Amino acid sequence: DSGVTQTPKHLITATGQRVTLRCSPRSGDLSVYWYQQSLDQGLQFLIHYYNGEERAKGNILERFSAQQFPDLHSELNLSSLELGDSALYFCASSVAWGGSNEQFFGPGTRLTVL
Amino acid sequence: GQNIDQPTEMTATEGAIVQINCTYQTSGFNGLFWYQQHAGEAPTFLSYNVLDGLEEKGRFSSFLSRSKGYSYLLLKELQMKDSASYLCAVRDDAGNMLTFGGGTRLMVKP
Repeated sequence: DSGVTQTPKHLITATGQRVTLRCSPRSGDLSVYWYQQSLDQGLQFLIHYYNGEERAKGNILERFSAQQFPDLHSELNLSSLELGDSALYFCASSVAWGGSNEQFFGPGTRLTVL
Repeated sequence: GQNIDQPTEMTATEGAIVQINCTYQTSGFNGLFWYQQHAGEAPTFLSYNVLDGLEEKGRFSSFLSRSKGYSYLLLKELQMKDSASYLCAVRDDAGNMLTFGGGTRLMVKP
């Protein structure tokens, strides 16, 4: 158990819908990262927040957005869902960034878009 | 951008030693990580290299050559539970993001 929690574990929805994935980092961690893992794309970095502020964006679609709240939990919002958005979405956290700060991954949310 | 290559699959025998290679071409570098991932589960941290050389941690060792853009993960005394995917990841200059390779699926046979 990494100490990072994600809800829900599974989510099944239809195309065109909107969903929100939630992540709580490990106690004391200020950085939160979101990743998408699909069968054909591997693990892809989406976005990084540090202490409430966005620090870096990867290959995140405009239909996706995220935020980190004052209590440091984070939410990833996915809208106008398409079949291709079906994937495992992981959240990771670290104390800060850089150095030997390893990222601890949560158990993931499996999103299925029908 | 970052480009990271590792073999797709490897097979090894229980009790043996296996080396998983990773080559990278990156516009920036601030450390290389190895993660283990069992199917459907979260990646778990194995090792971190930022300077050239070998880092040893129990049955696992990781090597880095920055000039060659090359790393390997060495697993000794293989156990059946080591059957998993091994992900090589490079961190960008700013230390913000990890770029992952496609992963190497290791199958350990009795």
